[in-house]
Amino acid sequence: AQSVAQPEDQVNVAEGNPLTVKCTYSVSGNPYLFWYVQYPNRGLQFLLKYITGDNLVKGSYGFEAEFNKSQTSFHLKKPSALVSDSALYFCAVRDGYGGSQGNLIFGKGTKLSVKP
Amino acid sequence: DVKVTQSSRYLVKRTGEKVFLECVQDMDHENMFWYRQDPGLGLRLIYFSYDVKMKEKGDIPEGYSVSREKKERFSLILESASTNQTSMYLCASDPRSLETSTDTQYFGPGTRLTVL
Repeated sequence: AQSVAQPEDQVNVAEGNPLTVKCTYSVSGNPYLFWYVQYPNRGLQFLLKYITGDNLVKGSYGFEAEFNKSQTSFHLKKPSALVSDSALYFCAVRDGYGGSQGNLIFGKGTKLSVKP
Repeated sequence: DVKVTQSSRYLVKRTGEKVFLECVQDMDHENMFWYRQDPGLGLRLIYFSYDVKMKEKGDIPEGYSVSREKKERFSLILESASTNQTSMYLCASDPRSLETSTDTQYFGPGTRLTVL
């Protein structure tokens, strides 16, 4: 069965420091991996995705993520955090197979807090 | 830009009332989804639909039903609202065909439902 784990409920970072939000996954086939961000009282916004190709994926707002097949991880990173990055971040995985088995499975979310 | 709209941002209902949550997307997407979001539980799939008049149960369908009479509209129905259905409800759509699964989902802004 597919699953996604975000081991940290909250990550605290000082503004200007690098940030990492962790995600590990489990799928039976090739993983399609996604990161979404949610600001307070808003829906989820797509940040980036990994389908195939380079393991380092660049996305919106200066975020990037590194796919590591051996560690089944897809950690979200940013070299220099901003206060405005404070939000809830969700990792999601889709098995590389269509049909009802291809629905997104979401992690529980990680709250990122960036302090000035 | 893809736009997914939901009929209400905030809704307050009483126990036992019938509640309709409406979702409309303007990008001719085949697939539509209803999730509920609760703190510490992430996003949980309630129902989804791959086509007009078609519906499939997600992970937590109990107490809910759906309707998809037109391609652009997907309604979530609480037949008899209960306090444990107080939650944030998120609608999403994506253009994924059954043969590919590399697309992403697009989310509406959410409806925060309170059942008293």
